[in-house]
Amino acid sequence: DGGITQSPKYLFRKEGQNVTLSCEQNLNHDAMYWYRQDPGQGLRLIYYSQIVNDFQKGDIAEGYSVSREKKESFPLTVTSAQKNPTAFYLCASSLTGVNNEQFFGPGTRLTVL
Amino acid sequence: AQKITQTQPGMFVQEKEAVTLDCTYDTSDPSYGLFWYKQPSSGEMIFLIYQGSYDQQNATEGRYSLNFQKARKSANLVISASQLGDSAMYFCAMRDPDNDMRFGAGTRLTVKP
Repeated sequence: DGGITQSPKYLFRKEGQNVTLSCEQNLNHDAMYWYRQDPGQGLRLIYYSQIVNDFQKGDIAEGYSVSREKKESFPLTVTSAQKNPTAFYLCASSLTGVNNEQFFGPGTRLTVL
Repeated sequence: AQKITQTQPGMFVQEKEAVTLDCTYDTSDPSYGLFWYKQPSSGEMIFLIYQGSYDQQNATEGRYSLNFQKARKSANLVISASQLGDSAMYFCAMRDPDNDMRFGAGTRLTVKP
């Protein structure tokens, strides 16, 4: 089945540790996105990528890093510089163009202790 | 970057009645796409409906319709014949020609039996 996978579903880390969230898609989509969602809030764009080896910062990129070495994969690293990393992280992908909707993964809930 | 505004943090509707969820946006691009997503308590993101900036007619998808008023920069979602399963968070989003896609803060809809 085609879709987007994010792993793991729940992730616990100690404060000060870097952690990498996985996002893989087999939909042959060029564009991929990372959003952060805090409880009861909207989705805030962290980074997005339109093509392999290229990505752009969103509104809240500080403390995060990404890579796009393969079309299928867009991992997000939450670094120790991110002051409040505990949140729900959603990955999405889509075809390029204003008329194409995003397809979302199930999300990773990160808790930093 | 474009800006999306949803001014209704919470809405209540009686089962079988219609409800309108408000969304306004701001952009200088003539070409853009407007989207609505539903997020149940499970956290998954479900695409509902799309409206293109050049579309002359309002989009409809089953019980969902989009009241698109381009001059007012509004794209309100209308849900007809509400069902208990419609209780969820609803997000308005806009995509620009650079494939940047931003979301509003969301509206929590509660359908009363």
